[in-house]
Amino acid sequence: DAGVTQSPTHLIKTRGQQVTLRCSPKSGHDTVSWYQQALGQGPQFIFQYYEEEERQRGNFPDRFSGHQFPNYSSELNVNALLLGDSALYLCASSFGDRGMGYGYTFGSGTRLTVV
Amino acid sequence: GEDVEQSLFLSVREGDSSVINCTYTDSSSTYLYWYKQEPGAGLQLLTYIFSNMDMKQDQRLTVLLNKKDKHLSLRIADTQTGDSAIYFCAETANYGGSQGNLIFGKGTKLSVKP
Repeated sequence: DAGVTQSPTHLIKTRGQQVTLRCSPKSGHDTVSWYQQALGQGPQFIFQYYEEEERQRGNFPDRFSGHQFPNYSSELNVNALLLGDSALYLCASSFGDRGMGYGYTFGSGTRLTVV
Repeated sequence: GEDVEQSLFLSVREGDSSVINCTYTDSSSTYLYWYKQEPGAGLQLLTYIFSNMDMKQDQRLTVLLNKKDKHLSLRIADTQTGDSAIYFCAETANYGGSQGNLIFGKGTKLSVKP
């Protein structure tokens, strides 16, 4: 049974560009949450998608947007990239729209470097 | 706002016990968690404790919760070199648009020396 799959694993982008990160949830899960983990920091919640809608959002600017597809997979889009957006982006899947922590399965993340 | 704090580094000898400490601010947190992150990997849930419990034991792991002091600890018995990793304490967010999601500390890097 595959866990959470994220692609790509690594990415290098230039300031001002746009990036799309992808996540396939664990089989049986219908909720996807995205977290940003800067170097030396703990993960910070970006937003959560359930039933193809953004249900919850953390303290991130509108440059961060997302989408969830009917098959529950999700994309994270970041526009107008800044150097400070360099981080490990983690996707977590769960069942149900509250996604309590004991139900989360995390992917291995996408390492984004902005130069 | 909510905040989770933990010490950044801990070094122990193989076979000793490790104790990683954490303080949190939101007294209404219903669940508190410990996650493990190995290099190049995502987060692995180690254990969690419900806020009405004082202690939870799971094989080599013991979680102690002092709700009055908002203090959480993780004890790893008979620490092995394979336990070397970063350990994150996390609480559930309970306000605004982030209810139910996780607030993480900065992580404690555990180094186990043979």
